[in-house]
Amino acid sequence: QVQFVQSGAEVRKPGASVKVSCKASGYTFTTYPIHWVRQAPGQRLEWMGWINAGNGNTKYSQKLQDRVTITRDTSASTAYMELNSLTFEDTAVYYCTRAGQGWGMDVWGQGTTVTVSS
Amino acid sequence: EIVLTQSPATLSLSLGDRATLSCRASQSVSNYLAWYQQKPGQAPRLVIYDASNRATGIPARFSGSGSGTDFTLTVNSLEPEDFAVYYCQQRIGWPITFGQGTRLEIK
Repeated sequence: QVQFVQSGAEVRKPGASVKVSCKASGYTFTTYPIHWVRQAPGQRLEWMGWINAGNGNTKYSQKLQDRVTITRDTSASTAYMELNSLTFEDTAVYYCTRAGQGWGMDVWGQGTTVTVSS
Repeated sequence: EIVLTQSPATLSLSLGDRATLSCRASQSVSNYLAWYQQKPGQAPRLVIYDASNRATGIPARFSGSGSGTDFTLTVNSLEPEDFAVYYCQQRIGWPITFGQGTRLEIK
């Protein structure tokens, strides 16, 4: 079955960086773009950016574009999201998701909790 | 940035009732609107894409309508598993944005 498996929870200090991985299986990885979406506690979903898994082209939220980098390794069917210069406001659950059926986000990872704490 | 405003914030209904959830966009998104269901501790699940198309595996009691700036998600004959938070999302403009959510709770 089609699924995404994300890396485990992370705790970082303010100013540090974090890199989250998302391994895809059950479909041809390069066929669909992958989004990264985060959700701070009690907040709405926030789109961070996406990557064309085929050619590696990316697009980022203007709010985060100076701090976020999305990459992929096609040989490993894995996408990555790195966020730099972390602040307390970056504490959230981070999801990878596929732009699939009708360009809707039709498959989601289980989420990775990133906690920024001093 | 396109702002999506959902109403009501909370909807309290009984099993078997019909739920009507609204999403209004700050500018036209054509039909490029999706709906997601999210239960506590879980990732969101795609329910409707392109305003009115049910995603794979979604029961027929779910339907979506609307275009331009006003959209509706209707859930007929509520089942226990339907109680969750629902988000709308637009993909016509960058950045992609989500509404703030409607919590559908059991009365």
